[in-house]
Amino acid sequence: GAVVSQHPSWVICKSGTSVKIECRSLDFQATTMFWYRQFPKQSLMLMATSNEGSKATYEQGVEKDKFLINHASLTLSTLTVTSAHPEDSSFYICSAFQRGRGRDTEAFFGQGTRLTVV
Amino acid sequence: SQQGEEDPQALSIQEGENATMNCSYKTSINNLQWYRQNSGRGLVHLILIRSNEREKHSGRLRVTLDTSKKSSSLLITASRAADTASYFCATTSGTYKYIFGTGTRLKVLA
Repeated sequence: GAVVSQHPSWVICKSGTSVKIECRSLDFQATTMFWYRQFPKQSLMLMATSNEGSKATYEQGVEKDKFLINHASLTLSTLTVTSAHPEDSSFYICSAFQRGRGRDTEAFFGQGTRLTVV
Repeated sequence: SQQGEEDPQALSIQEGENATMNCSYKTSINNLQWYRQNSGRGLVHLILIRSNEREKHSGRLRVTLDTSKKSSSLLITASRAADTASYFCATTSGTYKYIFGTGTRLKVLA
């Protein structure tokens, strides 16, 4: 199956700093990527839809100025957590759909990034 | 919230037994998918069932879908310790956006 690589796998940062997480589709082009957030022992909550070449679409309640998304190419989307605080500590996962495939298909997920803000 | 619900939230069984988990969703769907997540890891796709399908098999997995009840079930037969993980259903309704269920944490005891 297609491969989505997420980097870094884990990161610890100081409160007030910004952290960038990358999501790459390694062997296919992805016009659309999604960013999810997952708290311990909870489900995945969609944060935003990242569209190549256009602005991201954020879900209700997600601060777009805090979670900056850039989808600069067909294989890369980035999520930047700006001015991180301890409550931003979470597991962040991206997913991507292969361009050209129908909607009736599976998404491919990155391995996730564990962010800890101290 | 549009999030689906799964039950049970947690399930503990002996190796060799079957595990059944259920998923209910709220809106009409194009397809429903089941994913598995090992602790602290990404998601692995298990099976996709389309809205016009009622049952699907893949190895030891059996998925059913009842669109009239907006529910699906995942059956894992002859479970193994390696099946210990969290299982999530996810639905799409014509877009690429996924809505995930709350998940079932399965523990298979050796």
